[in-house]
Amino acid sequence: DAGITQSPRHKVTETGTPVTLRCHQTENHRYMYWYRQDPGHGLRLIHYSYGVKDTDKGEVSDGYSVSRSKTEDFLLTLESATSSQTSVYFCATNPGTGTIVTEAFFGQGTRLTVV
Amino acid sequence: GQSLEQPSEVTAVEGAIVQINCTYQTSGFYGLSWYQQHDGGAPTFLSYNALDGLEETGRFSSFLSRSDSYGYLLLQELQMKDSASYFCAVSQGGTASKLTFGTGTRLQVTL
Repeated sequence: DAGITQSPRHKVTETGTPVTLRCHQTENHRYMYWYRQDPGHGLRLIHYSYGVKDTDKGEVSDGYSVSRSKTEDFLLTLESATSSQTSVYFCATNPGTGTIVTEAFFGQGTRLTVV
Repeated sequence: GQSLEQPSEVTAVEGAIVQINCTYQTSGFYGLSWYQQHDGGAPTFLSYNALDGLEETGRFSSFLSRSDSYGYLLLQELQMKDSASYFCAVSQGGTASKLTFGTGTRLQVTL
């Protein structure tokens, strides 16, 4: 299995506070992704990265920012947490064959609760 | 944009065969993949189709028709441990590669 570690695994935070979730990989994979998972919505793409300092928005990027300053780390920041951002967040990586994503590897998820 | 449609729930009996369909609308399509997720766990990769036709991996097979923007996952000889959620996902290429998931199909295997 790809070495993907998400931290923290669980977090409770207050509305209006900034929160940063970390995804760390040891596989030197090129592509990294942040998804949120909510009942009835499947996995929705927040942001993704196709290289160091190269990121792009997914379908639900409002209220989120990301940074990737080195290959192994992809950070997701909730700039001012809201209750609607209560969710399970998954990081995923893919080695990349050219620009095509085939098999993605997922971290174990971070359960975030905004109160 | 892109959209993927799957049935929300499917129920089947142990030992039976079940097919989970996925239709998609997307630009820059490169391939369709399938993932399994057990409750409380992370999604895990099952299969990937870039070309039309059937790909077989053990009890699981996946099919793609690019002209119909349609694919399916076929699970044979169902076992209780196959009870899980199954997601189709489309890969979009270009300068950056996106991976977009459907809303998932919850499969319940019964005795």
